[in-house]
Amino acid sequence: NAGVTQTPKFQVLKTGQSMTLQCAQDMNHNSMYWYRQDPGMGLRLIYYSASEGTTDKGEVPNGYNVSRLNKREFSLRLESAAPSQTSVYFCASSVDRGLYNEQFFGPGTRLTVL
Amino acid sequence: AQKITQTQPGMFVQEKEAVTLDCTYDTSDQSYGLFWYKQPSSGEMIFLIYQGSYDEQNATEGRYSLNFQKARKSANLVISASQLGDSAMYFCAMRERYGGSQGNLIFGKGTKLSVKP
Repeated sequence: NAGVTQTPKFQVLKTGQSMTLQCAQDMNHNSMYWYRQDPGMGLRLIYYSASEGTTDKGEVPNGYNVSRLNKREFSLRLESAAPSQTSVYFCASSVDRGLYNEQFFGPGTRLTVL
Repeated sequence: AQKITQTQPGMFVQEKEAVTLDCTYDTSDQSYGLFWYKQPSSGEMIFLIYQGSYDEQNATEGRYSLNFQKARKSANLVISASQLGDSAMYFCAMRERYGGSQGNLIFGKGTKLSVKP
């Protein structure tokens, strides 16, 4: 099993460009998440999807959109990138949203917006 | 107010010694879970240990144990016999059942642990 995979690993964008970060999991998990990690800030939740066909905003959703394409895939889109979106982005998945829910993380995407 | 507070931005420990990483949390829920994750310099997030609010015993996983003091709202991670490979960022996180976080994980800002040979 590959677990949680993310593409690309690195990306450099110019301000105003758009891009989609891809995430897929092969663990048959219902719930998926997108986080951003900034220096000194820990991980902050952007969007999550409790199950196929549903998505909800997290703590920092502005400037992002998501799509839960199917049970395996959850993509994050930046429509018009801004320098403030320079960050490391992590996708994660979990069996469901029960109290004990280990989240499995992808390797991350390091995004720089110039 | 911060939900998860990790007061030690950075720590050093001598190889083979034990080290405690502090974590305090804030919730009014009776039912919640506490997690610790490790992030080495390679960047991936690795789950270490979990403690449920109703668990009577402190959680242990190999060299990791969680010193859970419910009344103090603290969930400190103890690493015994530190190894060079333990050098990493460590994140404490909480999930509340009913709190304002909508059941999502809330992370602290992390503690950078450096193990000295």
